[in-house]
Amino acid sequence: GAVVSQHPSRVICKSGTSVKIECRSLDFQATTMFWYRQFPKQSLMLMATSNEGSKATYEQGVEKDKFLINHASLTLSTLTVTSAHPEDSSFYICSALQVRLMNTEAFFGQGTRLTVV
Amino acid sequence: AQKITQTQPGMFVQEKEAVTLDCTYDTSDQSYGLFWYKQPSSGEMIFLIYQGSYDEQNATEGRYSLNFQKARKSANLVISASQLGDSAMYFCAMREGETGGFKTIFGAGTRLFVKA
Repeated sequence: GAVVSQHPSRVICKSGTSVKIECRSLDFQATTMFWYRQFPKQSLMLMATSNEGSKATYEQGVEKDKFLINHASLTLSTLTVTSAHPEDSSFYICSALQVRLMNTEAFFGQGTRLTVV
Repeated sequence: AQKITQTQPGMFVQEKEAVTLDCTYDTSDQSYGLFWYKQPSSGEMIFLIYQGSYDEQNATEGRYSLNFQKARKSANLVISASQLGDSAMYFCAMREGETGGFKTIFGAGTRLFVKA
């Protein structure tokens, strides 16, 4: 299957700083990427849909100014957690949509575990 | 309202036996896709199987098959001949919408324990 690379896999940052997480589709172009957040032992919660060349669509309750999403190219979307706080500590996962003739499939990155201290 | 429901928070199965993980969904779209993903303890999401709403045949991928009952809005995952490496969290997901407006929603997940 297609490969989506997410970087970094783990990051520890100080409270008040910003952290950028990258999501790259390595062998296909993705006009749409999704960002999810997962709390321990819970399901994935969709945070936002990132469309190349346009503003991201955020889910209800997700702060746009806190979670900045940039989808500048067909292979890269970034999520920046600004002014991070301990409650932002979580597992963040991106997925990239590959649109094919017969079906459309989402491929996931490896995830980023963010710890804010 | 819940759009994807997985009613089994945890399941046990004996190695080499088959197991069915339940998933029901709710949508008013005519065109949608149903997915199952496996998430081992490492956290990565692994795609297992896909079923399109217009597909008449149940999807199969190796030991995985999807029991798609459209009228009942259920998409249960069947794992045959369970292996110890199948122990993981399993998520059912539904994608609805159209190109440019897709949204994928996940169920709460089912943790599968395979016993030796």
